[in-house]
Amino acid sequence: TQLLEQSPQFLSIQEGENLTVYCNSSSVFSSLQWYRQEPGEGPVLLVTVVTGGEVKKLKRLTFQFGDARKDSSLHITAAQTGDTGLYLCAGVSPGAGGTSYGKLTFGQGTILTVHP
Amino acid sequence: EAQVTQNPRYLITVTGKKLTVTCSQNMNHEYMSWYRQDPGLGLRQIYYSMNVEVTDKGDVPEGYKVSRKEKRNFPLILESPSPNQTSLYFCASSWLAGGADTQYFGPGTRLTVL
Repeated sequence: TQLLEQSPQFLSIQEGENLTVYCNSSSVFSSLQWYRQEPGEGPVLLVTVVTGGEVKKLKRLTFQFGDARKDSSLHITAAQTGDTGLYLCAGVSPGAGGTSYGKLTFGQGTILTVHP
Repeated sequence: EAQVTQNPRYLITVTGKKLTVTCSQNMNHEYMSWYRQDPGLGLRQIYYSMNVEVTDKGDVPEGYKVSRKEKRNFPLILESPSPNQTSLYFCASSWLAGGADTQYFGPGTRLTVL
């Protein structure tokens, strides 16, 4: 079983501050996804990174995939109260035969609270 | 409206009483998957299905069964529920295998097993 360690588990900051969430693994993933989840709802996909070293930006959010495709980070610049929520990373297992393709491994999640 | 629906949304049951949580999608997606979410553990994949009649185990399949007789439905079956299966369950679907495409999640089913 592949493991994906996400940190920190909790993050409480003031509006305007920057923050970074990390996902690390000893395993290689074919791609890595970041989700955001609101209370009472299912996760919603923010981005998928596929290539080692890839950087994607979504407004104030910057996502990076490690060169070795084992780790990823989410950086939020000038956080806003609307960024509050649960952030999840998910690694996609490399396709090797039929048994692992389609498997996703999620990190434990980061609960972000942005105070006004 | 394109969506993934789950029923029931909330369920309280007792140990050993068989139950089924239904999942249905109206987007003609090939791939469907079930997850459970527990505090501090994130989401853990239970089973997934690449297509009709094709299912495979995720990371925590013990105590669960699934079937994929038709493309739109992917029910989760607990033959003999136990208290450690108390959790929040999510169904998801996508065009391509999970991770290769945007997964759309249902609203969740909160299950309590007494």
